[in-house]
Amino acid sequence: ETGVTQSPTHLIKTRGQQVTLRCSSQSGHNTVSWYQQALGQGPQFIFQYYREEENGRGNFPPRFSGLQFPNYSSELNVNALELDDSALYLCASSPGVPGGNEQFFGPGTRLTVL
Amino acid sequence: GDSVTQMEGPVTLSEEAFLTINCTYTATGYPSLFWYVQYPGEGLQLLLKATKADDKGSNKGFEATYRKETTSFHLEKGSVQVSDSAVYFCALTWPNRDDKIIFGKGTRLHILP
Repeated sequence: ETGVTQSPTHLIKTRGQQVTLRCSSQSGHNTVSWYQQALGQGPQFIFQYYREEENGRGNFPPRFSGLQFPNYSSELNVNALELDDSALYLCASSPGVPGGNEQFFGPGTRLTVL
Repeated sequence: GDSVTQMEGPVTLSEEAFLTINCTYTATGYPSLFWYVQYPGEGLQLLLKATKADDKGSNKGFEATYRKETTSFHLEKGSVQVSDSAVYFCALTWPNRDDKIIFGKGTRLHILP
């Protein structure tokens, strides 16, 4: 069984640019959540997708947006990048209807904004 | 708002020492509580969980008890190993809502041989 995978592993962008991060959920999982983990901090919830619809959002501005595809893979898009967007971005998938299910995390994408 | 507070690291111990990492939470309702571990170069892994008051979660020699009266979920291990060196995150979520997890800031643990 393949776990959660994310691409790319590392990414360097400059301020003002746009970035797309990708996540493939674990087989059989229909819910994907995205988290931002700044250096030395715990992950912070960005948003969650369930059956291609946004199902909850954290305290992040609208320039953070996402998509979920019919195969349950997902994208995180960030527009107008700022220096503070530099972080490890984690994707997590979970099975069934959202509601306290165990989430399985990918290894993350390290984004550096210069 | 809802939050998780855990002891700041780094925590440095010798092999076979007793470990406690403190965690307290602020939340409405009755959250489920977790400890996640992040080994160097790896993704977050669920270490243990407890879903209601007085439940004890355990895994790999680690234990934590859900204490509603003190809103705590302290992580303990009787005898740590070098391989336990990692960052540990206390976290909470709510059953029957979304799967949003609120994490603490993490505690880095160094075990010396």
